[in-house]
Amino acid sequence: DGGITQSPKYLFRKEGQNVTLSCEQNLNHDAMYWYRQDPGQGLRLIYYSQIVNDFQKGDIAEGYSVSREKKESFPLTVTSAQKNPTAFYLCASSNDREVSPLHFGNGTRLTVT
Amino acid sequence: AQKITQTQPGMFVQEKEAVTLDCTYDTSDQSYGLFWYKQPSSGEMIFLIYQGSYDEQNATEGRYSLNFQKARKSANLVISASQLGDSAMYFCAMRHNYGGSQGNLIFGKGTKLSVKP
Repeated sequence: DGGITQSPKYLFRKEGQNVTLSCEQNLNHDAMYWYRQDPGQGLRLIYYSQIVNDFQKGDIAEGYSVSREKKESFPLTVTSAQKNPTAFYLCASSNDREVSPLHFGNGTRLTVT
Repeated sequence: AQKITQTQPGMFVQEKEAVTLDCTYDTSDQSYGLFWYKQPSSGEMIFLIYQGSYDEQNATEGRYSLNFQKARKSANLVISASQLGDSAMYFCAMRHNYGGSQGNLIFGKGTKLSVKP
């Protein structure tokens, strides 16, 4: 079955450490996205990529970095510069057409202490 | 700036009854798309229904329908015959042409729906 896989589901890190969240899709979608969700809040865009080897900052990109070396993969690194990294992170992909919905992975819950 | 507003933080509905979840939006674009997603406690985001700004008919998908009132800038989700499995967070979202990307969505803060047996 086609879909988006995020791993791991839960991640724990010490403050000051960088951590990379994995996102893989086999939907053959060109566009991929990373969102952050805080308790009681909607989703906010961190980064997005419309094509391999290209990506753009979203609304809250500070303290994060991404790469898009393959169409299927869009890993997100949460760096030590991110002041409040504890959150639920969702990866999504789409055909980047106006009527195409975003397909989401199951998310990674990151806790930094 | 584009914005989505969901004014109901939480809603209760009796099983088998219908419920309406409110969503208003703000945009200066003439062409836009509106989406509803369901997020169960497990966290995944499930796409429910889509409405395009030029669609004259209200969208329907099974028990879900979208009450689209363009002049009022509202896109309310109606769930008919509620089931216990409908208990979840529901998010309204609007497609945002962000830096040329057609795909990015901006989200409201969500409504938590609880279905009572």
